[in-house]
Amino acid sequence: EEQLVQSGAEVRKPGESLKISCKGSGYSFTSYWIAWVRQMPGKGLEWMGIIWPGDSETTYSPSFQGDVTISADKSVSTAYLQWSSLKASDTAMYYCVRLSGSNWFDPWGQGTLVTVSS
Amino acid sequence: DIQMTQSPSSLSASVGDRVTITCRASQDISNYLAWYQQRPGKVPKLLIYAASTLQSGVSSRFSGTGSGTDFTLTISSLQPEDVATYYCQKHNSAPFTFGPGTKVDIK
Repeated sequence: EEQLVQSGAEVRKPGESLKISCKGSGYSFTSYWIAWVRQMPGKGLEWMGIIWPGDSETTYSPSFQGDVTISADKSVSTAYLQWSSLKASDTAMYYCVRLSGSNWFDPWGQGTLVTVSS
Repeated sequence: DIQMTQSPSSLSASVGDRVTITCRASQDISNYLAWYQQRPGKVPKLLIYAASTLQSGVSSRFSGTGSGTDFTLTISSLQPEDVATYYCQKHNSAPFTFGPGTKVDIK
């Protein structure tokens, strides 16, 4: 079964750093783009950026460029999303998802809830 | 960048009703349009890609039409399990912009 499994929920204080993960299995991890999607509480889906795990080429949404870093380690079939200094406004559910076919989003990870609060 | 809009933002219909949701792109995206269903508290699920191709395992109650800038998602006979928010998304190239969503519930 092709799937993405994300790391568990995190609680951090403003200003702290964080790195969450997304492990792919059941398919060739280096042959598909991986995207990250944010969903703030009660809000819609926002595309953050994509990475090609084969060579770590990345493209960011202008809305998120400079605020987060997307990376991947192909040796462990895992993509990452990280923050160097969290803000309360980073509180959200974060999904990783594979781009399939002509770049539709499927399958999705189960989501990682990030809570930033003092 | 191309903007995606949806209408209505929410709707309430009876079980068995035919429901139609509209998505509009600010520029021509050919047929590179996907629809996702997100049930309350759940992970988004791909329903349709390439505007009209039903994802494997998705109920045939769902159908999609359109090309260029105007697209529709139709639920032929609304069922209780269809209560969800539905998002359209352009999938031709980055940025992979989502529409704002349409919340569907049962009257």
